[in-house]
Amino acid sequence: RKEVEQDPGPFNVPEGATVAFNCTYSNSASQSFFWYRQDCRKEPKLLMSVYSSGNEDGRFTAQLNRASQYISLLIRDSKLSDSATYLCVVRPSNTGNQFYFGTGTSLTVIP
Amino acid sequence: DAGVTQSPTHLIKTRGQQVTLRCSPKSGHDTVSWYQQALGQGPQFIFQYYEEEERQRGNFPDRFSGHQFPNYSSELNVNALLLGDSALYLCASNLRRDRTYGYTFGSGTRLTVV
Repeated sequence: RKEVEQDPGPFNVPEGATVAFNCTYSNSASQSFFWYRQDCRKEPKLLMSVYSSGNEDGRFTAQLNRASQYISLLIRDSKLSDSATYLCVVRPSNTGNQFYFGTGTSLTVIP
Repeated sequence: DAGVTQSPTHLIKTRGQQVTLRCSPKSGHDTVSWYQQALGQGPQFIFQYYEEEERQRGNFPDRFSGHQFPNYSSELNVNALLLGDSALYLCASNLRRDRTYGYTFGSGTRLTVV
């Protein structure tokens, strides 16, 4: 079983829509959680960390459910510039400093 | 404040050749990790260097080796290149003791093996 699993999509949504991405992880000792954004043929860039109590950054909301080993990212009022691949990233506490990446979920926001 | 820098940005090599990729971490970071990202896939962990030693290794053959220098910069070497080694190679840095922040990535080296 993969360490991190994501629905690869693609998700095609109209501007202004709300879209949610989900991610599950297999290592219950996972300690830190992140969402990265990757534009086509570019490097991943940190979008936001995910905290136990959930956190929000503008139009983006991240949630963590440790019991279900599940992470989510909600994007409200989608913009054309949100089109990218969103990578779920997990850092277990029992594997040193290694980060595990999902395969990414592709989002295209349509005018 | 310079981020993570990688060189070269693009590279074309022939099967069987050897390649060296270079990375300078973000200022203040002491740990360098290397990832391979094939088209349409998430980054796959190759290995990680801290204090000039390989600390962890992913599921990659011994053809992949690396080094970290006293100034924290790092090299990734791949010997006996295969067509399947064609990918984007990403270097990421972080500060080992800080477990709350994610990696900072370089813009990557796109390697094509022909």
